[in-house]
Amino acid sequence: DQQVKQNSPSLSVQEGRISILNCDYTNSMFDYFLWYKKYPAEGPTFLISISSIKDKNEDGRFTVFLNKSAKHLSLHIVPSQPGDSAVYFCAASAAGNMLTFGGGTRLMVKP
Amino acid sequence: DVKVTQSSRYLVKRTGEKVFLECVQDMDHENMFWYRQDPGLGLRLIYFSYDVKMKEKGDIPEGYSVSREKKERFSLILESASTNQTSMYLCASRAGNSPLHFGNGTRLTVT
Repeated sequence: DQQVKQNSPSLSVQEGRISILNCDYTNSMFDYFLWYKKYPAEGPTFLISISSIKDKNEDGRFTVFLNKSAKHLSLHIVPSQPGDSAVYFCAASAAGNMLTFGGGTRLMVKP
Repeated sequence: DVKVTQSSRYLVKRTGEKVFLECVQDMDHENMFWYRQDPGLGLRLIYFSYDVKMKEKGDIPEGYSVSREKKERFSLILESASTNQTSMYLCASRAGNSPLHFGNGTRLTVT
């Protein structure tokens, strides 16, 4: 049973608009959440993280929102750029233990 | 800059062969990891190591073993390759609980 789920395998967005990528989790012990971005033929790279004591973390065009009661987090990219086209993985951990990854969402930003 | 190097980008092996995947990091990180990435399943942890000669099973260790004789090198071994081990293999390292740094991956095909 997957503890971290990304229910949308793909998402297509127009350049300049907002991209919203969603992630749901089931383990209430998770207290740290991360987003990774992966281009083809490259390894995932860390994008942004959030601790469970916060509900929002922002870094430039990227904002992660955490709703603990709903066990849901989302990544907002504003404005979206063609270079943001990649696969995005959310990941979660409990008390510094191993990361559990979601299945990934492929984002396509159209010029 | 952090660098994790995987020795092969592509490998094709036959069923029953013994396969070695090599990973080297240059950041003096104590923690190293092996994941496999499959469509829709995200990244699943095979094995990890938190020190030289130490190893711990991840979520899917069956059919795999690892070796960590030096701090910078972590090897994944498929004792007898099978077709269901065809996958993208990703090595990662980190210091403490910092975000993972990934290599570019090895795409293994077992025929």
